[in-house]
Amino acid sequence: GAVVSQHPSWVICKSGTSVKIECRSLDFQATTMFWYRQFPKQSLMLMATSNEGSKATYEQGVEKDKFLINHASLTLSTLTVTSAHPEDSSFYICSAPRGPRGYTFGSGTRLTVV
Amino acid sequence: GESVGLHLPTLSVQEGDNSIINCAYSNSASDYFIWYKQESGKGPQFIIDIRSNMDKRQGQRVTVLLNKTVKHLSLQIAATQPGDSAVYFCAENPGAAGNKLTFGGGTRVLVKP
Repeated sequence: GAVVSQHPSWVICKSGTSVKIECRSLDFQATTMFWYRQFPKQSLMLMATSNEGSKATYEQGVEKDKFLINHASLTLSTLTVTSAHPEDSSFYICSAPRGPRGYTFGSGTRLTVV
Repeated sequence: GESVGLHLPTLSVQEGDNSIINCAYSNSASDYFIWYKQESGKGPQFIIDIRSNMDKRQGQRVTVLLNKTVKHLSLQIAATQPGDSAVYFCAENPGAAGNKLTFGGGTRVLVKP
């Protein structure tokens, strides 16, 4: 149990467009979702924490107007990268605090902005 | 802010040998630690965890050691196999599950046949 489904697994978009990434908890209710960004050969850096029914909490240095996070229901959290630029190209991963091992991770989304 | 860091960015090991991956943490309040394995293009995969009231925990072919005195964590992989080639991260949590994890810098393990 405790599965988080993340889509899409990869996406290519043009500069200036927006991209939405979804994370769904399939067999449990996720009141909290953590969003991470990972650049090549680097570690996972927490961007923000989404909470169902309230505003997301952003880490220092993360632009909340650029990375829109919505936790619309107990099973869905979304991250929208607005006005994407090449420097936003990265691997984005969600994680819900749940499961016997503390945390359940999505499979990640590879975003490439051209 | 406080962070978790690693000593070795890359570890090359012969198949069948043991691997040791080290991690230093700086938040003395952290009481829960997790080791993750990440393969290219995938999310982190849980390996083993340990709470601060323990100094050693063993799993299948893996052992985690925690030294709270020097704030050091290590992961030992016995009889390393080609499938163990990946990047390994330690992560710390300052409290109960539900709190955000802080990840270390990562160590790439390359297993030579």
